[in-house]
Amino acid sequence: EAQVTQNPRYLITVTGKKLTVTCSQNMNHEYMSWYRQDPGLGLRQIYYSMNVEVTDKGDVPEGYKVSRKEKRNFPLILESPSPNQTSLYFCASSRGRNEQFFGPGTRLTVL
Amino acid sequence: GQQVMQIPQYQHVQEGEDFTTYCNSSTTLSNIQWYKQRPGGHPVFLIQLVKSGEVKKQKRLTFQFGEAKKNSSLHITATQTTDVGTYFCAGPSGAGSYQLTFGKGTKLSVIP
Repeated sequence: EAQVTQNPRYLITVTGKKLTVTCSQNMNHEYMSWYRQDPGLGLRQIYYSMNVEVTDKGDVPEGYKVSRKEKRNFPLILESPSPNQTSLYFCASSRGRNEQFFGPGTRLTVL
Repeated sequence: GQQVMQIPQYQHVQEGEDFTTYCNSSTTLSNIQWYKQRPGGHPVFLIQLVKSGEVKKQKRLTFQFGEAKKNSSLHITATQTTDVGTYFCAGPSGAGSYQLTFGKGTKLSVIP
């Protein structure tokens, strides 16, 4: 089954404790992206990747890092999480600039 | 930078009534995509429009792309409770860009 998976689905952590949210897709898509969704603000792009080893900043990259060492994986790293990074995070993948397939989401709370 | 505005932010309709959401971009778009997010779910792709003036239909849903390729609309005829959710439009942030800018969405509630 074609899908995008994210782990963990839910995470409660404390300020400053480094964390990684994993994202994996099995559709051999070149393009992958991370979004955060906050009430009233819609979906905002954090980082995106056009292919292996090629990443670029989205609209809200501050406080986040990404890497794309393999085509199927695109982890999101929060080196020192802060409460303002409490949000719902979505990973997505697509073939080129076409239809994006979203993962189920990761709800992160930073205390 | 590019802005994508969506109105209305919320819409409550009686089941059977029609619904329309509008999307306006500050810049000309090469294409526009529409997504639906059910409560508690993730965004799901509905359609992509590419051509100026394009109109596409999916059963009770009609999508339009403006002649100037700066605006788009989604119209639902005779809403059903299964239409409940938030509808987002999204467009590339620049010519040839892989960066996608989403509108803030229109949340649709359908009263049975």
